[in-house]
Amino acid sequence: NAGVTQTPKFQVLKTGQSMTLQCAQDMNHEYMSWYRQDPGMGLRLIHYSVGAGITDQGEVPNGYNVSRSTTEDFPLRLLSAAPSQTSVYFCASSYSQGPMEPQHFGDGTRLSIL
Amino acid sequence: RKEVEQDPGPFNVPEGATVAFNCTYSNSASQSFFWYRQDCRKEPKLLMSVYSSGNEDGRFTAQLNRASQYISLLIRDSKLSDSATYLCVVNPGTGFQKLVFGTGTRLLVSP
Repeated sequence: NAGVTQTPKFQVLKTGQSMTLQCAQDMNHEYMSWYRQDPGMGLRLIHYSVGAGITDQGEVPNGYNVSRSTTEDFPLRLLSAAPSQTSVYFCASSYSQGPMEPQHFGDGTRLSIL
Repeated sequence: RKEVEQDPGPFNVPEGATVAFNCTYSNSASQSFFWYRQDCRKEPKLLMSVYSSGNEDGRFTAQLNRASQYISLLIRDSKLSDSATYLCVVNPGTGFQKLVFGTGTRLLVSP
């Protein structure tokens, strides 16, 4: 049962570098999202997608890009890494956007920007 | 005022104790409510959804009070394995699942 798979699990970047955080799910879920989790704050929504080819911004989208070319994959791109983007990033998916539908999380990517 | 507020704890309890957490939310139009559990440095996992009439799952009971805008989680007969951070999560009903997460309440169960 792979569920939601995130890679890499850890990454250290220098300020100004770019990189892509990968997220894949094998549950045929239409809905996918990216969150960041910082100390003392709840998870915050970065970007989300309601299906292949459709993405939208969440609460904290600046500095990040996403695309959704397939149902399975939802990569998150950091365009020019900044120390403020040091965080733990979680990808999540859900079968529908029904109000009681649970989200399934990947096990996270711990990103440090120096 | 934060959209979702939780006491960060930690709540230190002995095995077998009963412990309760509350969580308040600011948006009276919020549609749905959840408790997620997060172990140290792990991903959040759904513990239980919270229904209007209240619901129970084994040792865990969740309640919703819409009038006072809070939800609660009661854990009976605490186990060592219950040690974790419990996240209160609210769907404000603003489209898609733009869930709002509380910062979590940490529970430490000791022998």
